[in-house]
Amino acid sequence: GEQVEQRPPHLSVREGDSAVITCTYTDPNSYYFFWYKQEPGASLQLLMKVFSSTEINEGQGFTVLLNKKDKRLSLNLTAAHPGDSAAYFCAVSAPSSFSKLVFGQGTSLSVVP
Amino acid sequence: NAGVIQTPRHKVTGKGQEATLWCEPISGHSAVFWYRQTIVQGLEFLTYFRNQAPIDDSGMPKERFSAQMPNQSHSTLKIQSTQPQDSAVYLCASSLDGGVSNERLFFGHGTKLSVL
Repeated sequence: GEQVEQRPPHLSVREGDSAVITCTYTDPNSYYFFWYKQEPGASLQLLMKVFSSTEINEGQGFTVLLNKKDKRLSLNLTAAHPGDSAAYFCAVSAPSSFSKLVFGQGTSLSVVP
Repeated sequence: NAGVIQTPRHKVTGKGQEATLWCEPISGHSAVFWYRQTIVQGLEFLTYFRNQAPIDDSGMPKERFSAQMPNQSHSTLKIQSTQPQDSAVYLCASSLDGGVSNERLFFGHGTKLSVL
């Protein structure tokens, strides 16, 4: 079945710097991709949902890139600020069952002032 | 909208005891999902229901784990004869549809289960 590998597990950046988190997946038929953010003590919140037809997706303060050829999904936080400190998870919708998400291991991001 | 409600937030059980975890999905959502979160394994899919019917339980351990959705307002995850390796945060999520349109999931805060 689908497998998702997320790197790095921990990331510390200075305020204003960029932070990049990358996920690779195995099933080339995967179609839906997600990034979730989990702040300490809070529930997982959706950052962005990406369709396989769009390679570059921009949100508020971040960009999500999808490279289908390399089966790679990345989250790039531009000009990170302390409020971005959280755990981030990528998730891929398993082609065998679109409703079932396969999550990456997560990245704990710390943005230092 | 209170979001997905999970109770209890924390549960401590002794080895061999039973644990029942509760989830109340967002009103109007037809799909309910259960995930397990550990440091080692990350987020693992367990099972999901759509319109109260079990759709996919491929992630459920074959023994001791069971899930039900007796009505549209709540789902339960029951673990019999709990073992220390069952210790995890159990997350419930709901979505509007849960079908091929692949709506976003709304997660609860989770129930942290500690088996001593």
